[in-house]
Amino acid sequence: QVALTQPASVSGSPGQSITISCTGANSDVGSYNLVSWYQQNPGKAPQVIIYDVSQRPSGVSNRFSGSKSGNTASLTISGLQAEDEADYYCCSYAGRSTWVFGGGTRLTVL
Amino acid sequence: QVQLLQSGAEVKKPGASVKVSCKASGYTFTSNGISWVRQAPGQGLQWMGWMSITTGYAHYAQQFQGRVTMTTDTSTSTVYMELRSLTSDDTAVYYCARNVSGWSDYWGQGTLVTVSS
Repeated sequence: QVALTQPASVSGSPGQSITISCTGANSDVGSYNLVSWYQQNPGKAPQVIIYDVSQRPSGVSNRFSGSKSGNTASLTISGLQAEDEADYYCCSYAGRSTWVFGGGTRLTVL
Repeated sequence: QVQLLQSGAEVKKPGASVKVSCKASGYTFTSNGISWVRQAPGQGLQWMGWMSITTGYAHYAQQFQGRVTMTTDTSTSTVYMELRSLTSDDTAVYYCARNVSGWSDYWGQGTLVTVSS
């Protein structure tokens, strides 16, 4: 499986909105509405913030939203806060009971 | 509360095998599958495979086929991940995570496996 493509880094100022893209293929992102997003802080395990493309688990801020168009999924964080600074990973079902992660994006809050 | 408690750090020589355990508690063990994900130092997450506790059947990422085995002991609510023929490229933190219809809601604390001669 080939990793999904994410930008290595994005940045934004407090209060702004940023979007992180996650580009896959017809065989994964493009074929299934099974994209999830994880936030990872240094030294910690990942935490899910979006599942099934656009669903938020209970307890996750509504400043986080997800969408998908074709082979590209996107995570948008609105009203950026300092605490959002972290690494973000997308993950997609890739068929035959397998999954694939994106390479990860480092978000810097300026 | 749901907890996944992993075994401690390991140091292995090249060519050896490692077996990491993940003990689940706080929920009905057979209700959810368990995935394994690893993260090399300074690198991203890499999906390794997942195991259905109900069926006992495991599905592995292509790059680990033939080298990894995931097993379960339902009597102790524990899942194991064994990786063989270790190289320095296998140095990583290994995580187990509980599956919920295709995503993972609870993760273990991670187990650092260091492969060094």
